[in-house]
Amino acid sequence: DQQVKQNSPSLSVQEGRISILNCDYTNSMFDYFLWYKKYPAEGPTFLISISSIKDKNEDGRFTVFLNKSAKHLSLHIVPSQPGDSAVYFCAASAQTGANNLFFGTGTRLTVIP
Amino acid sequence: DVKVTQSSRYLVKRTGEKVFLECVQDMDHENMFWYRQDPGLGLRLIYFSYDVKMKEKGDIPEGYSVSREKKERFSLILESASTNQTSMYLCASRAGGSGELFFGEGSRLTVL
Repeated sequence: DQQVKQNSPSLSVQEGRISILNCDYTNSMFDYFLWYKKYPAEGPTFLISISSIKDKNEDGRFTVFLNKSAKHLSLHIVPSQPGDSAVYFCAASAQTGANNLFFGTGTRLTVIP
Repeated sequence: DVKVTQSSRYLVKRTGEKVFLECVQDMDHENMFWYRQDPGLGLRLIYFSYDVKMKEKGDIPEGYSVSREKKERFSLILESASTNQTSMYLCASRAGGSGELFFGEGSRLTVL
C-alpha cells in the first residue's frame, strides 16, 4: 500500500504564476519530508526538506508546508519558470537519516511560457 | 559536488540473462541504495547498504541481489532477468545521519 501519495499525476501552470504540488501520507510515524525534482534521463535531485517540528520551510522560490494533523504537505513554487518543468517526487521517512525513504508516485509539472 | 555514476545508461537483455548494474560514488558516503522507478509507482527501494559487505532488503528485493565489496561501489545483480524487471534503476548514496539522497542518472533496463 502506498504510504506517500501524490494524487495529481500532472499540473500545468503559466510562467510567473504559483505552482502548488500536493502530497499526502498515511504513516503517522513519518517525521521528515523531502521534495525531489527529476528531469528526463537524469536522476532525481534534492530540492527542499522539512522536519515535523516545523510547518514551513522556505528556500528562495520554493516553500514547503506541512500540515501534520491532515498528514499533508505541499510544495509552492513562486514564481514558476519554464525551467521548473520536471517531475516532482515527495518522500518521507520515519526519522531523519532513516535508511528508507518512501516516495510518492510523482507529479509532472509543466510551466507554460 | 557529489557524483554518483551508474555504469550503463541503457541496457537491453534477454530473459534469463544475468545482469549487473554498477554504481560508484565519490564522496565517501556510508550508505548506498538501489531503487527502481516505474510509472504510477514512484521510486521503490530494492536494497540498501550501510557499510562495506553489509546489506539490507528494501521493499522489493525479490529477484535481485547486491554486492558492496568497496565503500564507493554498490552493484545490483539480476541473477535471471525477467520481463517484469524492465524498469529504470536508480542508484543513490547518502552520508550517515542525513536525509538527503544523491542519485545517479539512472539505468534503463529492457528485458526482452
